[in-house]
Amino acid sequence: DIVMTQTPLSLPVTPGEPASISCRSSQSLLDSGDGTTYLDWYVQKPGQSPQPLIYTVSFGASGVPDRFSGSGSGTAFTLKISRVEAEDVGIYYCMQRKEFPFTFGPGTKVEIK
Amino acid sequence: QVQLVESGGGVVQPGRSLRLSCAVSGFTFSTSDMHWVRQAPGKGLEWVAGIWDDGSKKHYVDAVKGRFTISRDISKNTLYLHMNSLRVEDTAVYYCAREGHVVGLDYWGQGTLVTVSS
Repeated sequence: DIVMTQTPLSLPVTPGEPASISCRSSQSLLDSGDGTTYLDWYVQKPGQSPQPLIYTVSFGASGVPDRFSGSGSGTAFTLKISRVEAEDVGIYYCMQRKEFPFTFGPGTKVEIK
Repeated sequence: QVQLVESGGGVVQPGRSLRLSCAVSGFTFSTSDMHWVRQAPGKGLEWVAGIWDDGSKKHYVDAVKGRFTISRDISKNTLYLHMNSLRVEDTAVYYCAREGHVVGLDYWGQGTLVTVSS
């Protein structure tokens, strides 16, 4: 199975400041067949179901503010928040769906300082 | 308006069975791959099972292989998870989610809690 890791696991942030989360996979997430890298980001806000943020590395899900961006390739990926807002509090997960079983990272808890 | 509504959770003894349902609306169920994802209390997300849009292929995490079965009824716009030989470690909130192919798991339900305890 592909193992996903994230750093940091806890991220205290100041509103208005940028934030960054790293995600790494144990194997490349590039599907050589179609050229797509199957790495997504999800956020679970307190008391809510997970919701999509970023799909295939860098594409914003519907309705996601443009302060969220994703980058990376192969086995190393980054989620960036350009200016954190109070509503961004939650646990952020990366997930690979290049192959079954899909696997999630352990999650990064973002909280306001 | 897209809706995924899970039901069927509850408290069950180890070794017993339970069937979860996920009733969907607001998108074309028959052309959507579907998944179950669970979250144990205070823990992270774990993908459990997935089924292709036509039901022809099913995939499972090793921890549930041979015990859980994912299925779908197109006529009822409903996804199922049949869970047999339940273990204490299966205790979790179970979410159903749609995979929008390129866009990933784009719609999620509110979850249903399964508690396995004697």
